[in-house]
Amino acid sequence: AQKVTQAQTEISVVEKEDVTLDCVYETRDTTYYLFWYKQPPSGELVFLIRRNSFDEQNEISGRYSWNFQKSTSSFNFTITASQVVDSAVYFCALSDNTGGFKTIFGAGTRLFVKA
Amino acid sequence: SQTIHQWPATLVQPVGSPLSLECTVEGTSNPNLYWYRQAAGRGLQLLFYSVGIGQISSEVPQNLSASRPQDRQFILSSKKLLLSDSGFYLCAWRPGQGIQETQYFGPGTRLLVL
Repeated sequence: AQKVTQAQTEISVVEKEDVTLDCVYETRDTTYYLFWYKQPPSGELVFLIRRNSFDEQNEISGRYSWNFQKSTSSFNFTITASQVVDSAVYFCALSDNTGGFKTIFGAGTRLFVKA
Repeated sequence: SQTIHQWPATLVQPVGSPLSLECTVEGTSNPNLYWYRQAAGRGLQLLFYSVGIGQISSEVPQNLSASRPQDRQFILSSKKLLLSDSGFYLCAWRPGQGIQETQYFGPGTRLLVL
């Protein structure tokens, strides 16, 4: 069965620290897609990135970077030089053929960045 | 470009009262539509999804129901609210083409049942 595990419930860092949010997924499908979303205090989930199972190249977007490793079924998200505005809940998600129309979400990691 | 609307933004309702939350999507056709609920400090719980007009799949048995009267309209309803129905309700849409598509979320409705 498909599953997304975000073992870190809450993380607290001081501004300018680097922080990595872990995501481990389970799927039997060979074709699947992984996503990260950010939920700021306002509540709306904001899409950050999509990665397909055939592309293990890491991606960097400004202070954000993502490390996809199929060998460990992980899709970790790193924020470099964190800022107070990064404080939010971050969700990792999986879409595969088994799930069909549904996207499977992890429980989320709440990140607190203190000034 | 596509946009998704939800209303109302916030709602305070007494126990036993009815509920109707509306979600509409603009700029796309035949989307997959989803209702999620998020309790305070918790993750996302998928309630219903729809792949077409009149087609509703229920994920969790409860006193809520959903309807899709038009292609880009998704409604969440209840005849009698319970205290446990309080939470943050999020509507989402996804293009209907396949698993590679990204799901996009609306601004949400905060419901407090007293």
